[in-house]
Amino acid sequence: SQQGEEDPQALSIQEGENATMNCSYKTSINNLQWYRQNSGRGLVHLILIRSNEREKHSGRLRVTLDTSKKSSSLLITASRAADTASYFCATDEANSKLTFGKGITLSVRP
Amino acid sequence: NAGVMQNPRHLVRRRGQEARLRCSPVKGHSHVYWYRQLPEEGLKFMVYLQKENIIDESGMPKERFSAEFPKEGPSILRIQQVVRGDSAAYFCASSPMQGRFLEAFFGQGTRLTVV
Repeated sequence: SQQGEEDPQALSIQEGENATMNCSYKTSINNLQWYRQNSGRGLVHLILIRSNEREKHSGRLRVTLDTSKKSSSLLITASRAADTASYFCATDEANSKLTFGKGITLSVRP
Repeated sequence: NAGVMQNPRHLVRRRGQEARLRCSPVKGHSHVYWYRQLPEEGLKFMVYLQKENIIDESGMPKERFSAEFPKEGPSILRIQQVVRGDSAAYFCASSPMQGRFLEAFFGQGTRLTVV
């Protein structure tokens, strides 16, 4: 069964705008991770947030985690055309594997 | 340091043939995970292996699919008698420890096309 569910499924914004993507999950987690995948390519690890953390920053990325609501958000500030990709959240549950959502397709228009 | 290496990158097989996908983990990593990604979908867990052991194969189809991670050499995902529905991207990831998937190191994937 799907653990992470991203929202929205697709997002189209203008270059320079911020992009916010959400992820909800069902069970307890050790940590939550966000990945990027360019079309036809492999996965690139973006950021990991542990279950005892609420917010984390990495460059133009900001991730929040609300374990009471079982949700996370990924914010990309000042988006660029190169940010166009699919974004996945993945949860590390107690059973030692990552479970991925279906992904969000982000299009950044130049 | 080389990351996770998968080969081949692209594989075309006719229906009924066998497909063998290889994954060399990051040096020093003894835990390997295989995932399958159908077009426009997320990654679905297939199997988790340690050296010479299958730890969790709850995502593997019951028939035609098998995986191994021998003491020496890469991990192999084997699909016998492939069908069109097996066409997908297969990704391998490795990690250095069990229990906490702190950061998965993913390969570039093998894209299998069954014709």
